[in-house]
Amino acid sequence: DVVLTQSPLSLPVTLGQPASISCRSSQGLVHSDGNIYLNWFQQRPGQSPRRLIYKISNRDSGVPDRFSGSGSGTDFTLKISRVEADDVGVYYCMQGTHWPRTFGQGTKLEIK
Amino acid sequence: EVQLVESGGGLVQPGGSLRLSCVVSGFTFGSHYMAWIRRAPGKGPEWLAHIRPDGSEAYYVDSVKGRFTISRDNAKNSLFLQMNSLRADDTAIYSCARDVGRTADYWGQGTLVTVSS
Repeated sequence: DVVLTQSPLSLPVTLGQPASISCRSSQGLVHSDGNIYLNWFQQRPGQSPRRLIYKISNRDSGVPDRFSGSGSGTDFTLKISRVEADDVGVYYCMQGTHWPRTFGQGTKLEIK
Repeated sequence: EVQLVESGGGLVQPGGSLRLSCVVSGFTFGSHYMAWIRRAPGKGPEWLAHIRPDGSEAYYVDSVKGRFTISRDNAKNSLFLQMNSLRADDTAIYSCARDVGRTADYWGQGTLVTVSS
């Protein structure tokens, strides 16, 4: 199975400051169709996960442009340009290229 | 508005069974792959299974293969997960999700399954 390793696991951030989460894959994520199915999810306290980013860098509808995704090969990053109070929660990366589809262990973002 | 509402969770003894249901609205259910994903305490989510739009084929992660069965009733906009031979490590919140583009773009809130004697 593909193992996704996120870092850091805990991310205290001051309001208005940037934040960055890394997701490293144990193997390449290029699908035979040429796409890289690497996604990011946000899980706010008490809620189910919400997809933010799909195929590395495509923002879902309604996701603020403060969120951006990047990466290639086996290294991917989610960046928040200016953290707001509403961003508190756990962030997961997930790959859909290989079966079984797998998630990272999560990064908990909190306000410092 | 897309809505996915799960039910059927609860407390069950090891070795027991449960059947989870998910009722969907806000999109054409019969046109989409659907999935079950669980979140165990302190762990990342685990994608358990997904099923083709017509229900003809399903795919399972090894940890539940042979014990869990995903199915659907397109006439009732409903997705199901039959869980047998439950173990303590199956304790989790189980969510149904719409599977689009090899990812889950909408999730339900989930239903809690606790396996304990």
